[in-house]
Amino acid sequence: QVQLQESGPGLVKPSQTLSLTCTVSGGSISSGTYYWNWVRQPAGKGLEWIGRIYSSGTANYNPSLESRVTISLDTSKNQFSLRLSSVTAADTAVYYCASLSHAATFEYWGQGTLVTVSS
Amino acid sequence: QSALTQPASVSGSPGQSITISCTGTSSDIGGYDYVSWYQQHPGKAPKVMIYAVSYRPSGISDRFSGSKSGNTASLTISGLQAEDEADYYCSSYKSSSTQVFGGGTKLTVL
Repeated sequence: QVQLQESGPGLVKPSQTLSLTCTVSGGSISSGTYYWNWVRQPAGKGLEWIGRIYSSGTANYNPSLESRVTISLDTSKNQFSLRLSSVTAADTAVYYCASLSHAATFEYWGQGTLVTVSS
Repeated sequence: QSALTQPASVSGSPGQSITISCTGTSSDIGGYDYVSWYQQHPGKAPKVMIYAVSYRPSGISDRFSGSKSGNTASLTISGLQAEDEADYYCSSYKSSSTQVFGGGTKLTVL
């Protein structure tokens, strides 16, 4: 059973960079079984896919966020990370990390972490 | 990228059946059999209910079923129960190795 846990600052100032880490347990991020994803959800709104990374290091991003997003792997710690630059209040949301199967199914999710962008 | 289109809300009485639609394009739903559905209760992470259009993960009730026709996918819940009240999201693989979600549908059990 794969488990994911998000961690990082809950408050980020406008124009700064949001950084979150997802720690994976119960499976290796290097195994190739899953793509590792970030998804966000503003309060009272729907889910938005941010991007994914594979064990090879290849990443794909939502075109609407691509210019500001970087997802990376740290295989030594079995973690993957999100960096979102030049944040504004519109980036305030609950951020989830999730595993995506080769059948494009988000099988496992973290509990989510609220990130607020405010000065 | 544009979200998939879902009705904002649906409702039904206990024991009834409801269907939630999810409309996309030939670049997502219409082009691949990689549609999945998620149930989300308030304050909780989403949970997969249907994957690959019509498959149920282990442990998911057979009251949940999925289908697809052209660019539209559907989730049907039969024998509605109070605990089915939640938000439901569809998701699809999209060309260029991306994913897209629907806007979400709030299910109310009357």
